[in-house]
Amino acid sequence: GENVEQHPSTLSVQEGDSAVIKCTYSDSASNYFPWYKQELGKGPQLIIDIRSNVGEKKDQRIAVTLNKTAKHFSLHITETQPEDSAVYFCAASRGEGGTSYGKLTFGQGTILTVHP
Amino acid sequence: KAGVTQTPRYLIKTRGQQVTLSCSPISGHRSVSWYQQTPGQGLQFLFEYFSETQRNKGNFPGRFSGRQFSNSRSEMNVSTLELGDSALYLCASSLGGQVRETQYFGPGTRLLVL
Repeated sequence: GENVEQHPSTLSVQEGDSAVIKCTYSDSASNYFPWYKQELGKGPQLIIDIRSNVGEKKDQRIAVTLNKTAKHFSLHITETQPEDSAVYFCAASRGEGGTSYGKLTFGQGTILTVHP
Repeated sequence: KAGVTQTPRYLIKTRGQQVTLSCSPISGHRSVSWYQQTPGQGLQFLFEYFSETQRNKGNFPGRFSGRQFSNSRSEMNVSTLELGDSALYLCASSLGGQVRETQYFGPGTRLLVL
């Protein structure tokens, strides 16, 4: 089955710096890659996603890049703020019918701390 | 639009008991997926329901089961609880028409098995 590796497990940055989190996946049939942010006591919240027909997507301070050949994708947060502090998860889905419905395979998470 | 709601938010049970958790999806969403989140194993997919039918299932023992009602609300049941079942149980809803749809998560039910 699909396996998603996420690095680093913890990331500490100063306010205003950039943060980069990287994920690799094993299933070459995966073609949907969302990123979630989870704050303490809350469920994961989607912050950005990318589908395999594009290589990069940006939404204000957040961007995601995808390299299907190398089977890796990355989350980039620029101008970090203390409220960006949370656990970030990458995920992958095959995006086809049958055994793909509803199933996201998650990375292990990255604890991001932004120091004021 | 109201988000995904889960009840109860917290639950304490003892080994051998069973538990039922409830999830109400976003209005108009017909797909509900369930995940287990633990510090050691992370977020793991349990199963997905659409139009009252289980479409997909993860690698969990048969003690974990679920169902979906005609109004898309879903329940999951864990029988014969074990200490290792202590976890945050999350449900997520999506429209359900396609596999690459955005999933919206609820706040979760935190289950503690003593």
